[in-house]
Amino acid sequence: QSALTQPPSASGSPGQSVAISCTGTSSDVGGHNYVSWYQQHPGKAPKLIIYEVNKRPSGVPDRFSGSKSGNTASLTVSGLQADDEADYYCSSYTGSPWVFGGGTKLTVL
Amino acid sequence: EVQLVESGGGLVQPGGSLRLSCAASGFTFRDYWMHWVRQAPGKGLVWVSRIDSDGRSTIYADSVQGRFTFSRDNVKNTLYLQMNSLRAEDTAVYYCARGDYYHMGVWGQGTTVTVSS
Repeated sequence: QSALTQPPSASGSPGQSVAISCTGTSSDVGGHNYVSWYQQHPGKAPKLIIYEVNKRPSGVPDRFSGSKSGNTASLTVSGLQADDEADYYCSSYTGSPWVFGGGTKLTVL
Repeated sequence: EVQLVESGGGLVQPGGSLRLSCAASGFTFRDYWMHWVRQAPGKGLVWVSRIDSDGRSTIYADSVQGRFTFSRDNVKNTLYLQMNSLRAEDTAVYYCARGDYYHMGVWGQGTTVTVSS
């Protein structure tokens, strides 16, 4: 199973919005709504921030939002803050294994 | 507090074996699927394996199929990952994670496995 495709990097200034894409196929991202996003700060464990394309776990700010169109899912971070600087990974259930994207390093300028 | 705590990582020679553990607390462990996910140094997350709630069904990534065995003890609230025939490319931080439907809602802090001579 191939990994999902994410841009290696993204950046934005404080207060701005940035979108990170995650491209798969009709067998994973495009085939259902089981797309999730994880935030990982350096040296820390990943943290779930979006599940089932656009749902936020309790405690995750509404500045984080998710969407999907066809085989591409997107994570949008609005009102960028310094603490948003981290690696972000998308993931999709594929019917048997799970796959992750390669990760996107978000830099807050 | 919901918590997952991994242990058992370390340095092992190529071809050797290691058993990782993951102790769960703060939730009804026997109700959940569980996962192992690994991250090689400087690299991204890679899904390794999933076990169902009663331990009867497991699935593995192709890269570890036949070498790793995922099990659980629902009395001790503990997961185990038996890793055999270890290779240099198995070097990674190994995370256990709780399967909340089709996403991973809770993660442990990870345990480091280094395969080197």
